[in-house]
Amino acid sequence: ENVLTQSPAIMSASPGEKVTMTCRASSSVSSSYLHWYQQKSGASPKLWIYSTSNLASGVPARFSGSGSGTSYSLTISSVEAEDAATYYCQQYSGYPLYTFGGGTKLEIK
Amino acid sequence: EVKLVESGGGLVQPGGSLRLSCATSGFTFSDFYMEWVRQPPGKRLEWIAASRNKANDYTTEYSASVKGRFIVSRDTSQSILYLQMNALRAEDTAIYYCARGPSWFAYWGQGTLVTVSA
Repeated sequence: ENVLTQSPAIMSASPGEKVTMTCRASSSVSSSYLHWYQQKSGASPKLWIYSTSNLASGVPARFSGSGSGTSYSLTISSVEAEDAATYYCQQYSGYPLYTFGGGTKLEIK
Repeated sequence: EVKLVESGGGLVQPGGSLRLSCATSGFTFSDFYMEWVRQPPGKRLEWIAASRNKANDYTTEYSASVKGRFIVSRDTSQSILYLQMNALRAEDTAIYYCARGPSWFAYWGQGTLVTVSA
C-alpha cells in the first residue's frame, strides 16, 4: 500500500499570506494519479486539483498544485477566509490501491 | 446536473447487516466507475469498494478491510449503486460516501452515517 503523509497536519495563516502544504508518498506516484480534495466541516469532500496541477471546475486561480514522484504540494498564493478547510491528497495506482493522506487542516487567523 | 444521493445508514449491532443505496442522476450510469469511500469520525478518507462500468462488465474491487464482508452492486435500470454490508464491526462506524470514479472522484454524495454499536 502506498502511504500518503501530509504535512503539516494543521496550519494557520492570515488573509493574503502564501501557504504551501505537502503530500509525500511512500512509493512513487504517477503525476496523472495524484489528486487533492477540499473538505469543509460537515460537508462532503470536493475535488480540488486533479492530476497534480489541474484545477477542478470553479476552483479559484490562487490555488496551484505541483510535484512528481513521491513529493507533491498544494499552494495558495494569497489565502482568503473561504479557504479554511481540510485538504486531502489521494493517489490511484490501480485497484485496490486508492489511498488518501491524513489531511492538512488550514485555519485562517 | 450530476447528483448522487446516499441513503440507508443507521445504527446496527456488531455482526449485523445494512444495505446502503446511492441514487444517481444527470449522467449515463453505465458509462462510469462508481466507488464507495468512508470516513470514520475525525479520521481520514478510506476507499473501500468499486464497481467498474459496463464496458468492464461491472466488475468489482474491494479494500482489504471490507473484502469478504461487503458487496457492491448496481441496479442499472434505476441508476442506483448499492453497498451490502455484512458482519459489521465497531471499526466500520463512519460516514459512507458514494463517488464517481475512476482515478479522481469528481462527484460525491452527501454521505450517510453508519454506526455499529451494541
